[in-house]
Amino acid sequence: QKEVEQNSGPLSVPEGAIASLNCTYSDRGSQSFFWYRQYSGKSPELIMSIYSNGDKEDGRFTAQLNKASQYVSLLIRDSQPSDSATYLCAVDDDKIIFGKGTRLHILP
Amino acid sequence: DTAVSQTPKYLVTQMGNDKSIKCEQNLGHDTMYWYKQDSKKFLKIMFSYNNKELIINETVPNRFSPKSPDKAHLNLHINSLELGDSAVYFCASSPGTSGAANTGELFFGEGSRLTVL
Repeated sequence: QKEVEQNSGPLSVPEGAIASLNCTYSDRGSQSFFWYRQYSGKSPELIMSIYSNGDKEDGRFTAQLNKASQYVSLLIRDSQPSDSATYLCAVDDDKIIFGKGTRLHILP
Repeated sequence: DTAVSQTPKYLVTQMGNDKSIKCEQNLGHDTMYWYKQDSKKFLKIMFSYNNKELIINETVPNRFSPKSPDKAHLNLHINSLELGDSAVYFCASSPGTSGAANTGELFFGEGSRLTVL
């Protein structure tokens, strides 16, 4: 059974600090990795995708991938209250498998 | 202009009833999906269609029957509803099939919240 693991949280981070979200996956052959953000009562929306080892930056967001460790992370710099949401890690493994999500709470 | 739209947004029904949820996408995508999100927010794939052909059929009771009349539409019919079917059902679409570039870029509808009493 292929799995994607995330700490459910909640993760509380002060406004302006860096939020660090982590994810591990079980299938070493996975090639594509994604971070989705889901606000309460809303649908998930894609915020980052990463396909190769290393860092990928987009504005305040940085995705990091380490295929040898089967680990993917998301850093949010200068955290804002509007970043408070559940962040879902997803892995493309012949089908898109989601982790259970990490609830992030930015403290004003 | 809504990209992926689902109807209805809310469904409240009794156990044993049959219900349907409809989904339409105007993004020109080839692949559409049904996901179920339970009360613990776990998002789990149920079905996937590529250009009207069923390509993913997870371990889902056969009371659930998807239908894709064309690549822009994917419906979900549920027979003999049970309490455990209560969840939010999300329709999604993507440009290609899993394994190809950018296929993890799912575009979700707003969800249909099903409550079975």
